[in-house]
Amino acid sequence: EPEVTQTPSHQVTQMGQEVILRCVPISNHLYFYWYRQILGQKVEFLVSFYNNEISEKSEIFDDQFSVERPDGSNFTLKIRSTKLEDSAMYFCASSGDSSYNSPLHFGNGTRLTVT
Amino acid sequence: KNEVEQSPQNLTAQEGEFITINCSYSVGISALHWLQQHPGGGIVSLFMLSSGKKKHGRLIATINIQEKHSSLHITASHPRDSAVYICAVSGGATNKLIFGTGTLLAVQP
Repeated sequence: EPEVTQTPSHQVTQMGQEVILRCVPISNHLYFYWYRQILGQKVEFLVSFYNNEISEKSEIFDDQFSVERPDGSNFTLKIRSTKLEDSAMYFCASSGDSSYNSPLHFGNGTRLTVT
Repeated sequence: KNEVEQSPQNLTAQEGEFITINCSYSVGISALHWLQQHPGGGIVSLFMLSSGKKKHGRLIATINIQEKHSSLHITASHPRDSAVYICAVSGGATNKLIFGTGTLLAVQP
């Protein structure tokens, strides 16, 4: 069965550094998402992406964050200048379409640790 | 107030027991999702439903749209069912998910 793959599985970075989290969604999917989960908290929506542009973003997704689909297969989340509070598990997800009967497929996540 | 509330937050069961996890939501939705998260962190979609009932193996999910309530049942529970079970709702143009806080289930042999 096709999978959403995320790399790396764990990223450690120093405060102020830029990080890029990478995702390869399922190949024929059209909608892409990033979610994050701070340790011990619930999963939160960050951003959705469709047709090469952001379709919705949360208030968490400020100017430090950006997303890109550079080559038609990868979907990346960039954090320009990481803060301690960015430490979390970041999940990429994709779906075939945005209709109510299109399930979401999640990657296994990237655990980001900012020191 | 959270838009998606789950109960209980923690649940310990003996192997073989019938388990129910409840979810209530306060927003309009197009679908409700039940997800499973194992200790390693990965999230797996179990069910997506917008009405009625769905069954997959020992798992059953039901939804009552009028009551804005859903339940996830596990029959003949097994230690390998131990995980966090998360209720989430989707809606709007982008179908983003709004997550509940999860129910930590531990099934003891």
